[in-house]
This record gives sequence, C-alpha cells and structure tokens, in this order.
Amino acid sequence: GQSLEQPSEVTAVEGAIVQINCTYQTSGFYGLSWYQQHDGGAPTFLSYNALDGLEETGRFSSFLSRSDSYGYLLLQELQMKDSASYFCAVREEDSSASKIIFGSGTRLSIRP
Amino acid sequence: DTGVSQDPRHKITKRGQNVTFRCDPISEHNRLYWYRQTLGQGPEFLTYFQNEAQLEKSRLLSDRFSAERPKGSFSTLEIQRTEQGDSAMYLCASSPPNEQFFGPGTRLTVL
Repeated sequence: GQSLEQPSEVTAVEGAIVQINCTYQTSGFYGLSWYQQHDGGAPTFLSYNALDGLEETGRFSSFLSRSDSYGYLLLQELQMKDSASYFCAVREEDSSASKIIFGSGTRLSIRP
Repeated sequence: DTGVSQDPRHKITKRGQNVTFRCDPISEHNRLYWYRQTLGQGPEFLTYFQNEAQLEKSRLLSDRFSAERPKGSFSTLEIQRTEQGDSAMYLCASSPPNEQFFGPGTRLTVL
C-alpha cells in the first residue's frame, strides 16, 4: 500500500535550523514534494525532488534519496512566520494517470 | 493568491442535502485535482482530471461523489445526500507536472 511517515510535531527556536524527515512507501514513485500550510490557509508549494540530492531555495532545502525512500525538508534561520504545518507528498504516475499522496503533516512551532 | 479560485468558500448544509462546489484553475494548466482535508490531516486525494478527462478516482470516493470538468476549464464537485462525515475542507489544485497550486478551499459543514 501507499504510506508516508513524518513526525507529527517539531519545536524549534527562532534563528535555528530544523529538519523534517519523510519516509515513503509507494508504487510508481515519480517525485517528492513539500508544502507549507498555515492555519486556515491552503497548502503552498515549497519544493520538488525527482532525483537524488539536495535542492536549495533560499532558507529552505529539500533532499531526496530514492534508494532509501527518504527525504527531508531543511529550514534554516527560522523565523516566527515559519510556524506552520509541513507536508511531504509523493507523486505517483503511470502511463494513464497521476496521483499525489500527502503525508499527515508535521506541525512546526517556533519559540522566540 | 495562487490564481486558483473556489466557490463557495463556506457551505453549511443539512444532512441529506446535495451540495456542489466549483473550482476555476489557472487557465494554462491542464491538470486539476480535488482533495479533502480534515483537521490535523494532510490533503486526501479524491480525483484527478487531465483536460476534460477524469483519469483517476480514489477508492475512498463513494458513489455519492461526482466530479466533472466539462470543457477542460472549470470543474465541479457534487456530493449527494450529504452525511456528517463529509464535513471537511475541499481543496482544488491546478497543476503543471511538478507543482500544485491550491485554491483557498471550500469548507463544508454538514449539520
């Protein structure tokens, strides 16, 4: 079956670095995405990894290891506005269809 | 604002009634997804369109749910004979291959 595992909650201090891990078990894996969602808002796209390695976008980086079915989101120089839920999502695709499966989310709380 | 709009933003209905939601995606995106999200959970895939063709439908989607995208542009999601368990946020996402642009969602409350 399909499953994604990520920690339910993480707490960090403003200015610090935090890593949110995601392991997945799917068929037809095509890529791993990360989304941010503030309370009451819709998810917003952060990053996408199709190949092994690290993708960096400003303060946020995302890593993928396809052989380990594992990825992580790294947030640096944490700011209070980074307090939100973060979802990893796997894209599955075959010749006829495409599906995105989301994890249950990691709630990140930032302390001053 | 991602450029994806959904209407209505909030819907309160009584159990047993039918409801219909609309999603207007970004015009140049040919992929459109519907999700359902409940508190503390990630978006749950419901169905997917490529242009006007519905290519994938979740096994979780009972026969009370139907979705259309008649001209490959806007899409509608209808829930018939609503149940209290249908109360959730219904999200639409417009998509090029590797990124999803979510609309603000329609929050459904079934009394």
